[in-house]
Amino acid sequence: KAGVTQTPRYLIKTRGQQVTLSCSPISGHRSVSWYQQTPGQGLQFLFEYFSETQRNKGNFPGRFSGRQFSNSRSEMNVSTLELGDSALYLCASSLDWNTEAFFGQGTRLTVV
Amino acid sequence: KNQVEQSPQSLIILEGKNCTLQCNYTVSPFSNLRWYKQDTGRGPVSLTIMTFSENTKSNGRYTATLDADTKQSSLHITASQLSDSASYICVVTLMDSSYKLIFGSGTRLLVRP
Repeated sequence: KAGVTQTPRYLIKTRGQQVTLSCSPISGHRSVSWYQQTPGQGLQFLFEYFSETQRNKGNFPGRFSGRQFSNSRSEMNVSTLELGDSALYLCASSLDWNTEAFFGQGTRLTVV
Repeated sequence: KNQVEQSPQSLIILEGKNCTLQCNYTVSPFSNLRWYKQDTGRGPVSLTIMTFSENTKSNGRYTATLDADTKQSSLHITASQLSDSASYICVVTLMDSSYKLIFGSGTRLLVRP
C-alpha cells in the first residue's frame, strides 16, 4: 500500500513569508501528527489531528497551525517565518495515537 | 520533569558485530515506548512499540527490552550490517489528561566494513 506522502520535499522561503506543507496519510489512517526536526533540538511534536479535529498540541507558538480534511489529508501552515524555523518537517499517520506510526520523507524548509 | 535520555550519543562498530543502545526515561505516567530508525535525510521507521507489560519485542535482528520498574529500555542489534548505519530514536508516550510524545535525542550508529 502507498506510504505517507509529503509535499513539497524541499522549500526555500524568505523571512516574514508564510508556508503551507501537505501530508497525505496511509489510506484508512485517521490520525496525522506533525513534527519538527532540527540538529539542535531533535524531534519535537507540533500537533496531532484525528478525524478533522486537533486532538493534541505541542509547545510551539501560534504561528504554527494545521488542519485536516475529511479525507484525512493534512496541511501545516507556518506564518511570519523566522530563520529558526528552518528544519525538516515530518508528518506521521497511524490508525490512532497508540498504534504504529508511519512517517513520510519530510519537507526540508530553509528560511533565508 | 519528563525526559528521555539515550546513550551513547554515537557509536562505531564493525560489520557483523552486535551492539546495544540504551534509553532511560523519567516519563510518568507511561503508556508505551517506541524505537525508531532514521536514515539521514529520511523519515523515521518504526522498529518496535512496547507497552509497560511487555519485557521484550523483536523485529528481525533488532530486539528491544523494557524494564518498567527501572524505566530503562535497550535496543540490541545482532550481526550488524552496513545498512544499520542510522540514528536510533527512543520515544516514550506520556499519558495523563491527553497523550504526549517525549523524544530522546537519538544514538547515531555507524557500521564500518
